[in-house]
Amino acid sequence: EPEVTQTPSHQVTQMGQEVILRCVPISNHLYFYWYRQILGQKVEFLVSFYNNEISEKSEIFDDQFSVERPDGSNFTLKIRSTKLEDSAMYFCASQRWTSGISTDTQYFGPGTRLTVL
Amino acid sequence: SQQGEEDPQALSIQEGENATMNCSYKTSINNLQWYRQNSGRGLVHLILIRSNEREKHSGRLRVTLDTSKKSSSLLITASRAADTASYFCATDFQGAQKLVFGQGTRLTINP
Repeated sequence: EPEVTQTPSHQVTQMGQEVILRCVPISNHLYFYWYRQILGQKVEFLVSFYNNEISEKSEIFDDQFSVERPDGSNFTLKIRSTKLEDSAMYFCASQRWTSGISTDTQYFGPGTRLTVL
Repeated sequence: SQQGEEDPQALSIQEGENATMNCSYKTSINNLQWYRQNSGRGLVHLILIRSNEREKHSGRLRVTLDTSKKSSSLLITASRAADTASYFCATDFQGAQKLVFGQGTRLTINP
């Protein structure tokens, strides 16, 4: 069964450094998402991406964040200058999207645990 | 807030018993999805129920949706130790392109 994959599984970085989190969505899916989950808290939406552009973003997704689909398979989240509070589990998700109405499951990857020191 | 809110926050039962978790939300939805998360791991999709559906089954899982009360429930029958996890409802709101998650219910199945 196709699945969303993410690399790395764990990333440790120093405050102020740039990190790139990578995701390979399910191949016939059209909508891509990033979410994050701070330890012990709920999962929060960051950004959605469709047709090579951001379709919606949350207040969390400020100028330090960017997303890109550099080729036909990868979907990346870049944090330009990491802060301590960026430490969290970051989940990528993809969705097939049917007829302009969201009736399809979002499938999540296993996550990347980001630790900012 | 558009959040889904689960209750209870924590539930501990004996193996073999049924577990019921509830979710409430505030605005109109396209669908509602339930996910499971083992400690520190990824989100596993369990079931999606659309706004025009009232009940869905998948193995030992039964989900109901009451759009008039803006609530859903997840029933796990004949629980097993492997069902120990956190369970989240996530709502897909009309006009939005994202899932909004609740705080989750932490389920513990005691052998």
